[in-house]
Amino acid sequence: EVQLVESGGGLIQPGGSLRLSCAVSEFTVSNNYMSWVRQSPGKGPEWVSVIYSGGNTYYADSVKGRFTISRDKSKNALYLQMNRLRAEDTAVYYCARDRSEGGSRLGAFDIWGQGTTVIVSS
Amino acid sequence: DIVMTQSPDSLAVSLGERATINCKSSQSVLYSSSNNNYLAWYQQKPGQPPKLLIYWASTRESGVPGRFIGSGSGTDFTLTISSLQAEDVAVYYCQQYLSTPTFGQGTKVEIK
Repeated sequence: EVQLVESGGGLIQPGGSLRLSCAVSEFTVSNNYMSWVRQSPGKGPEWVSVIYSGGNTYYADSVKGRFTISRDKSKNALYLQMNRLRAEDTAVYYCARDRSEGGSRLGAFDIWGQGTTVIVSS
Repeated sequence: DIVMTQSPDSLAVSLGERATINCKSSQSVLYSSSNNNYLAWYQQKPGQPPKLLIYWASTRESGVPGRFIGSGSGTDFTLTISSLQAEDVAVYYCQQYLSTPTFGQGTKVEIK
């Protein structure tokens, strides 16, 4: 069964760091475009970052310079290193697969994990 | 960034009746070279992640029931649930992926 399982969320003080993980089953992370998408309570989702199958990475302006997306081929996993966290980073963070067609990324997300909650508060 | 605005914020529809959700983008999401609209629709039930229903504005994802119909082009799009079922109670989001992906604020669908 295709599965994405996030972990690593928690309560963290402003300015702190967290590393989120996403364990993937039944497809290969490095062969796909993989994103992190977050959702604050009562709000629409917000795309955070993507790593292309070729390794290029891109970020939302709101997290650029603070967050780093990466992957581990041997573990078939996706990561999000979050530094200098702010209150406005509080959200459920989802890893998601970007739908692709003919090897090109669409930017729509066809497989999602259940999410991990990050709360940034003193 | 392209801003996505949905209307209404919520609606209540009787079982078996039609539900219509509108989505407007701040600029066209139609890519002229391919004539594709870079617009997706998602369904989110409480405590669950969003589920992709439709992409390319009108193409249903595999396994999505035929009562979910996407239409529109350019800046104006509609998701129609042709005959509302109890399991369709959820929040629905539109999303553009022509540029940095952005989502609408959501429309909550309830049973009247």
